[in-house]
Amino acid sequence: GAVVSQHPSWVICKSGTSVKIECRSLDFQATTMFWYRQFPKQSLMLMATSNEGSKATYEQGVEKDKFLINHASLTLSTLTVTSAHPEDSSFYICSAPLGFYNEQFFGPGTRLTVL
Amino acid sequence: KNQVEQSPQSLIILEGKNCTLQCNYTVSPFSNLRWYKQDTGRGPVSLTIMTFSENTKSNGRYTATLDADTKQSSLHITASQLSDSASYICVVSGDRGSTLGRLYFGRGTQLTVWP
Repeated sequence: GAVVSQHPSWVICKSGTSVKIECRSLDFQATTMFWYRQFPKQSLMLMATSNEGSKATYEQGVEKDKFLINHASLTLSTLTVTSAHPEDSSFYICSAPLGFYNEQFFGPGTRLTVL
Repeated sequence: KNQVEQSPQSLIILEGKNCTLQCNYTVSPFSNLRWYKQDTGRGPVSLTIMTFSENTKSNGRYTATLDADTKQSSLHITASQLSDSASYICVVSGDRGSTLGRLYFGRGTQLTVWP
């Protein structure tokens, strides 16, 4: 099956620093990838759609200047949390679609803790 | 309003027993419905995907049903194992055909299997 990886799997940083999270489709190309945030005992919440070769589209209420997305190639999308604060602490997951019905293949997630 | 509701919110069963999880949705237009298993601290993994023309699909001990008329789906787990302990998420796709559309996530059912 299709594999999506994320790096790092967990990160701890100080308040005010920036953190970059990578999402890679290992065995297929993805012109579109999705970034989600998940708080404890909550469902995944779509943050933005990453588009290769064009700007990302953000969901309502998500600050595009705080969550910078770069879809550098057909297999790599990055999410940079700029000037992170404790309220940004969460589980960040990416996904990439594949197949006729655009089945979503999720990455393993990145646990961000901002001190 | 497009919504996906899952029940129960949490469930505890003994190892070897069967259980059924429910998913009701109001998403329209409807293209397909997916069940995912999410282990704690990991990304979701696909169990089944069903289109509006399918009413049942199995994947090992997992059997999903879909009634597109009543907009209900269920996930039946037989002979539960300790490794089945996870959150099970129902996701409905609001597109039709190959157009990449929006996904609507349920909050998940937290299943715990006790020995």
